[in-house]
Amino acid sequence: QSVLTQPPSVSAAPGQKVTISCSGSSSNIGNKYVSWYQQLPGTAPKLLIYENNKRPSGIPDRFSGSKSGTSATLGITGLQTGDEADYYCETWDSRLSAAVFGGGTRLTVL
Amino acid sequence: QVQLQESGPGLVKPSETLSLTCAVSGYSIRSGYYWGWIRRPPGKGLEWISIISHDVKTYFNPSLKSRVTTSVDTSKNQFSLRLSSVTAADTATYYCARHVGVYDHLDYWGPGILVTVSS
Repeated sequence: QSVLTQPPSVSAAPGQKVTISCSGSSSNIGNKYVSWYQQLPGTAPKLLIYENNKRPSGIPDRFSGSKSGTSATLGITGLQTGDEADYYCETWDSRLSAAVFGGGTRLTVL
Repeated sequence: QVQLQESGPGLVKPSETLSLTCAVSGYSIRSGYYWGWIRRPPGKGLEWISIISHDVKTYFNPSLKSRVTTSVDTSKNQFSLRLSSVTAADTATYYCARHVGVYDHLDYWGPGILVTVSS
């Protein structure tokens, strides 16, 4: 049971937009930065979004992040088949004194 | 460019200790940041294990804390994980990564190493 709750799966057609939610609490998302990672099959996770809404160099602006209260959202526009992957939110939990990941969301581009 | 590479045995027997090392290149551990371990069991999601700083400040996943030891060797620019009393539930791909501060993101990851616990 993850401290952060994500939908197990989302799907959309190529070219469309999708959002992935991440729900937490006041001890984690409520007062800490949220990061998002993409894990393509057979590869290591890759940082997509950090500090709620910043993109590392090389990440296209099709990917965006936002945070409101104890929830965060990853948005992906202009979906491509190459975006099919598992997506994870992550933050620090001050009650646990540990980093925590969401359970992960599998994106299918139909 | 910062690169991380995990190494260690791919097969560990139940009740024994899993030992992994992460070699860092392109950045000196002595310069700062935290260095962490994350795993992904087959068919499951990512699980954060622990982080350690160059001056040996540590944080652990509470569910694993009693079995985890982590260390850093600044002379070799590497850090290590030991997980004791392993069971089949510890079978996973283990990743090492750089933690940008205690409360912040993981920006560089190793490719991962699959460790299977089996007799």
